[in-house]
This record gives sequence, C-alpha cells and structure tokens, in this order.
Amino acid sequence: EAQVTQNPRYLITVTGKKLTVTCSQNMNHEYMSWYRQDPGLGLRQIYYSMNVEVTDKGDVPEGYKVSRKEKRNFPLILESPSPNQTSLYFCASSLRSYEQYFGPGTRLTVT
Amino acid sequence: GIQVEQSPPDLILQEGANSTLRCNFSDSVNNLQWFHQNPWGQLINLFYIPSGTKQNGRLSATTVATERYSLLYISSSQTTDSGVYFCAVESTGGFKTIFGAGTRLFVKA
Repeated sequence: EAQVTQNPRYLITVTGKKLTVTCSQNMNHEYMSWYRQDPGLGLRQIYYSMNVEVTDKGDVPEGYKVSRKEKRNFPLILESPSPNQTSLYFCASSLRSYEQYFGPGTRLTVT
Repeated sequence: GIQVEQSPPDLILQEGANSTLRCNFSDSVNNLQWFHQNPWGQLINLFYIPSGTKQNGRLSATTVATERYSLLYISSSQTTDSGVYFCAVESTGGFKTIFGAGTRLFVKA
C-alpha cells in the first residue's frame, strides 16, 4: 500500500531534550516536506527536499533541522525543543512538488 | 511572499445543500491544490488544479490563474464532507508550498 508514515504519532517532551520525528514514504517520491499546523494558521512549511541531499527552508525553519540521506526518509530534528514548537506536524511526499500525499501527523507537546 | 486567503472561514450547511469555497492568491503561482482535512485530522488530496476545471463526483474545482482565484464546489453535501478545506499554492521561482487558513465546514444531518 502506498503510504507516508510518521513516528511517533504522539510525543510529550520537556524543553531542551533533543528529539527526532521520522518520516518515510514507499512511493519512490523525489519531493518531501514537513509542515506544522497551528489553530487558525493553516499549515506552514518548515523544510522541503527536492531530492537526496537537497533541502531548503520553508516559511518557518527556525528551531528545526532536516536531512535527506535516502530517498525514502526525511527526518525532522528538534535540537532543543521549546514550548512554542508544540504543534501538529505533518510530513508529505510527491513525485514533484505538487500532488502531495500526507502522513497521519505527529502531535508534539513541549512542556 | 504570496498571500493565500480562503473564504468563508466557517460554513454550516444542511445535508443536501450546495456550497462554493473560494481561494484568492496574491501573485502568480505554479501549482494549486485543494485538500480536505477530515475530523480525525487526515489530509486528503482533492484536486491538483493550476488552471481550468476538474470534477470528481460531487466535487468540482475551477482555477482562473489570470485572476488569481480558485473555487471549490460541493454539491449535495453529506455529513462526511465535514472538516476543513485547504487551498495550497506553490510560488513561482521555487518549490515552497503556501497554505491558506482553511474553510471549516460542518454539514448537519
């Protein structure tokens, strides 16, 4: 089954404790992206990747890191999480930059 | 950067009614998509429609790129249509995706 998977689905952590949210797709898509969703703001793009080893900033990259060492994986790293990074996070992939398919979301709470 | 505005922000319909959701964008775009986020949070791709008109069952969409807007039509609405509808565009000269704030739809039985 073609899908985008994210782990974990729910995470509660404390300020400053490094964490990684994994994203994996099995569709051989070149384009992958991370978004955060906050009430009233829609989805805002954090980072995107056009292909292996090619990443670029979206609209809200501060406080986040990404890497794209393999085509199928695009992890999101929070080196020192803060409470303002409490949000719902989505990973997406597509063959190009449009017709994106979304993962199920990761709900992160930073206390 | 590009601004994407969706209207109305909230919409309540009686089952069976029709509706039109609007997406305005402030500059030329490469691509435009419509998504539905269901009450469980899942995001579903409805249409990829940079220009022209597409139909899929009770849903159809039209984008007039020269006038910088897109419309999503829902006919004979059902309770399962409830959720949030997002419009998303890709800016020219790059691969960033910008979402609107969404239209929250509730369909009453």
